[in-house]
Amino acid sequence: TQLLEQSPQFLSIQEGENLTVYCNSSSVFSSLQWYRQEPGEGPVLLVTVVTGGEVKKLKRLTFQFGDARKDSSLHITAAQPGDTGLYLCAGGSNDYKLSFGAGTTVTVRA
Amino acid sequence: NAGVTQTPKFQVLKTGQSMTLQCAQDMNHEYMSWYRQDPGMGLRLIHYSVGAGITDQGEVPNGYNVSRSTTEDFPLRLLSAAPSQTSVYFCASSRSWTGAQLTEAFFGQGTRLTVV
Repeated sequence: TQLLEQSPQFLSIQEGENLTVYCNSSSVFSSLQWYRQEPGEGPVLLVTVVTGGEVKKLKRLTFQFGDARKDSSLHITAAQPGDTGLYLCAGGSNDYKLSFGAGTTVTVRA
Repeated sequence: NAGVTQTPKFQVLKTGQSMTLQCAQDMNHEYMSWYRQDPGMGLRLIHYSVGAGITDQGEVPNGYNVSRSTTEDFPLRLLSAAPSQTSVYFCASSRSWTGAQLTEAFFGQGTRLTVV
């Protein structure tokens, strides 16, 4: 099992502030995905990154894949209450298994 | 668009009982998987299937069986329920596993299972 560690576990910020969530592993992943999950729902894909050093932007969200493809970060600029949720990173490899991190619970206070 | 449909949404079992969690997708996806989600532990892979007739074990397969007789359906069977299997179970499907990259996983809404 390839372990993905996310930090921090919990994050509570005021509306308008910025935040960064980290996803780290000692293993190399061929691809990394970020999902967001709301209470009572299944996770929903935000982005997939596949190239070391890749940066993708989705409106106020910026995703980065580390050069060595062992780590990733999610940065949210000017967070809004609608960004509240559980953010999960998931790594893919050659064995047809998707490994998830434990998640970061983000709360944005109005 | 139905997507991935899981039934039931809630279930309470007594220790030792068996049951089947149903999962169906209408997107003609090749890859399907089952996860359990426990507080502070993220999603852990139970079993997965890369196509009809092909299944394999994930990270935590003990106590669970699966089969994939059709592309659409991927039921998860609990053989003899134990309190340690109290969890939220998610079924997911993806179009394919291309090289070493899984295309987007679509998740059902989950089944909240309590074993007493």
